[in-house]
Amino acid sequence: QKEVEQDPGPLSVPEGAIVSLNCTYSNSAFQYFMWYRQYSRKGPELLMYTYSSGNKEDGRFTAQVDKSSKYISLFIRDSQTCDSNTYLCAMRDDQAGTALIFGKGTTLSVSS
Amino acid sequence: DGGITQSPKYLFRKEGQNVTLSCEQNLNHDAMYWYRQDPGQGLRLIYYSQIVNDFQKGDIAEGYSVSREKKESFPLTVTSAQKNPTAFYLCASSRMGHTGELFFGEGSRLTVL
Repeated sequence: QKEVEQDPGPLSVPEGAIVSLNCTYSNSAFQYFMWYRQYSRKGPELLMYTYSSGNKEDGRFTAQVDKSSKYISLFIRDSQTCDSNTYLCAMRDDQAGTALIFGKGTTLSVSS
Repeated sequence: DGGITQSPKYLFRKEGQNVTLSCEQNLNHDAMYWYRQDPGQGLRLIYYSQIVNDFQKGDIAEGYSVSREKKESFPLTVTSAQKNPTAFYLCASSRMGHTGELFFGEGSRLTVL
């Protein structure tokens, strides 16, 4: 079983829909959870960053972590065509110096 | 402007040739990373370095080599020993203790002919 699982999609939704992107993981030591957004043929950029369990909201984006289920989610409200990108989850444990483990990324397409 | 610069953006190589990808950052970050991205595979870690003159292998280091002689620079050499080098290569950096927040370069696309 891979450490981080993410459905690659593609996921297609109409403009205005609520989008739910998800990742599951197997390592219970993971404490830091991130969502990166990647435009086509560019480097990813950090979108959301959460520590341990709980929710974090930033504008139309909400990141949710459920450590008991080893499950993280990114919700996008009122989706727009500019949200059409690839979204990668990433996580790491608490030990200093460890690198991020990334999911495969989910490709999202929002149509007008 | 602060950021990470990767070069070249596109590179073609014949089989059996070594090639070096450049990565320079002016963010004063301590840690630097090289990832490889293939369709459907996500980002896989090749090498990372937390301080000058020190680096660690990632999950797929075979066929690659790196150096970290300066804080700003972390070049990656794709050697002829790498069996399937055609890929999109991404360099990133982060502040010490903030390894969740990576700043990425624009990437280098290597094609082996």
